[in-house]
Amino acid sequence: DGGITQSPKYLFRKEGQNVTLSCEQNLNHDAMYWYRQDPGQGLRLIYYSQIVNDFQKGDIAEGYSVSREKKESFPLTVTSAQKNPTAFYLCASSLKTGATGYTFGSGTRLTVV
Amino acid sequence: AQSVAQPEDQVNVAEGNPLTVKCTYSVSGNPYLFWYVQYPNRGLQFLLKYITGDNLVKGSYGFEAEFNKSQTSFHLKKPSALVSDSALYFCAVRAGLYSGNTPLVFGKGTRLSVIA
Repeated sequence: DGGITQSPKYLFRKEGQNVTLSCEQNLNHDAMYWYRQDPGQGLRLIYYSQIVNDFQKGDIAEGYSVSREKKESFPLTVTSAQKNPTAFYLCASSLKTGATGYTFGSGTRLTVV
Repeated sequence: AQSVAQPEDQVNVAEGNPLTVKCTYSVSGNPYLFWYVQYPNRGLQFLLKYITGDNLVKGSYGFEAEFNKSQTSFHLKKPSALVSDSALYFCAVRAGLYSGNTPLVFGKGTRLSVIA
């Protein structure tokens, strides 16, 4: 079945540590996105990519980095520069036109310990 | 700039009663509008969308939404609520055709609680 897979489901980060969240899709979608979800704040865009080897910053990119070396994969690294990383992270993908909306992964819950 | 407002953090409704979850938007040009639902610790699931055409859009699980251009609204409705409809609902918007593939902007979400 086609879909979008995020791993791990739960992740714990120590202070000063970088961690990488995985996002893989087999939908042949061109565009991929990372959103952060905090209670009462909805979804905020971190980074997005519309084509391989290219990506753009979203509204809250500071402290995060991404790569898009393959069409299927869009990993997110939460760096030590991100001072408040505890959140639920959602990856999504879409066709380039955007008219069909997004398909979301099941999310990764990151907690700082 | 695009924006979405969901004015109610929480909506409570009795099972069997009609429900409405409100959404207003701001975007340049014609909008693409979406509703998604989220269950605890899960990703968002697509409910319905408005791209063009009829203002009343029907979607999954008996939900529908009405696009009102003059009021810039896209309220989600269901004639008879079920306890299983209890979840977090998100409205999203982006500028439509000829505006490039700008990312969706999401509202802050409305928690729907259906009481038996």
